Amino acid sequence: GAGVSQSPSNKVTEKGKDVELRCDPISGHTALYWYRQSLGQGLEFLIYFQGNSAPDKSGLPSDRFSAERTGGSVSTLTIQRTQQEDSAVYLCASSFPNQPQHFGDGTRLSIL
Amino acid sequence: AQSVTQLDSQVPVFEEAPVELRCNYSSSVSVYLFWYVQYPNQGLQLLLKYLSGSTLVKSINGFEAEFNKSQTSFHLRKPSVHISDTAEYFCAVTPGGYNKLIFGAGTRLAVHP
Repeated sequence: GAGVSQSPSNKVTEKGKDVELRCDPISGHTALYWYRQSLGQGLEFLIYFQGNSAPDKSGLPSDRFSAERTGGSVSTLTIQRTQQEDSAVYLCASSFPNQPQHFGDGTRLSIL
Repeated sequence: AQSVTQLDSQVPVFEEAPVELRCNYSSSVSVYLFWYVQYPNQGLQLLLKYLSGSTLVKSINGFEAEFNKSQTSFHLRKPSVHISDTAEYFCAVTPGGYNKLIFGAGTRLAVHP
């Protein structure tokens, strides 16, 4: 069956531009997570959506980062006014309640 | 707060040799424990998990990990590695049940012929 799908797979943009990263979770998964993987910081939690509950935004590094999840399915992570330190691989994961997370292949973001 | 320490950033090993990847965690609440594997340019795949019960858990491809509460460890072992096991391995915990994952820094396993 289809896994977690992320797009684009690679994104190159100039410093100061806004970017949107998309995540299509596995059908029926009510939980959706965003993580960031970078050389300096390793794997870091960013934000967590569970059903209709308020998202856990405790991992977002600054107010330039935001995410939404429309209709309990697709999620978009937006980074405004990108900085070079935002360069990383952004990973999305989804799961059924009380089940392990399944990861997408990530979006590799490069800020020039 | 919770934290995960993977003591070895890189582990080189010859094919068919045994390997142990070490993981220690710190938490004031009970945690679920996980090992994930990441192959180049791919996302993370769940290798095995410990929730409760038997402290030794096994994967279908020969890996096993043992939960040791007194030492707060969850080391990953395989008695005989293959070239195809070359990847990065991440130990992770979720506090208080299924939740956001807190990862260690990862261990890069390099299997040589």
